[in-house]
Amino acid sequence: AQRVTQPEKLLSVFKGAPVELKCNYSYSGSPELFWYVQYSRQRLQLLLRHISRESIKGFTADLNKGETSFHLKKPFAQEEDSAMYYCALAGFGNEKLTFGTGTRLTIIP
Amino acid sequence: DVKVTQSSRYLVKRTGEKVFLECVQDMDHENMFWYRQDPGLGLRLIYFSYDVKMKEKGDIPEGYSVSREKKERFSLILESASTNQTSMYLCASSPPATVNYGYTFGSGTRLTVV
Repeated sequence: AQRVTQPEKLLSVFKGAPVELKCNYSYSGSPELFWYVQYSRQRLQLLLRHISRESIKGFTADLNKGETSFHLKKPFAQEEDSAMYYCALAGFGNEKLTFGTGTRLTIIP
Repeated sequence: DVKVTQSSRYLVKRTGEKVFLECVQDMDHENMFWYRQDPGLGLRLIYFSYDVKMKEKGDIPEGYSVSREKKERFSLILESASTNQTSMYLCASSPPATVNYGYTFGSGTRLTVV
């Protein structure tokens, strides 16, 4: 079975401070990991994928297989980062995503 | 620019009614999915489909069924709506190899069962 854990339901950070949203996973094989974001009144959208090792809107995430983690980080928070963030996992060769419970990030001006 | 369209943004139905939620995508994607989104529970997969007329159960299929007669359309059916099915329902689609592209989501249908 595969599982994604996001331990923080709510996270508040001051503008300009670093942000880290935690994501841990449980999967016996090689996982494919994603971060999705939902801004207020907008649809859920892909933020980044670990396979592409990209940085989107200043966010990065590194897969740590030893700690089974895929934490999302940004060095300097901006007000427009306030949103709901979901970590998601797909098993190798599997088309379906398992999502975590989400973290609501609020940036304090 | 809308690529995954859910026919209703809000629905209110009575307990026991049969409810149809419709989803259409215009990206010629093979994969389509239905999730429900609840506070504190995240997104949970109800059903998914890899191809026309093909369907597979997700994690919480009880009380739901699906239909995929055409590639672009994936319908979620609540056979007899109950109050515990009050939720936000999200449809998504993806091409093969989700890992490379991720999902494209619809804007959601907020269903209230009274």
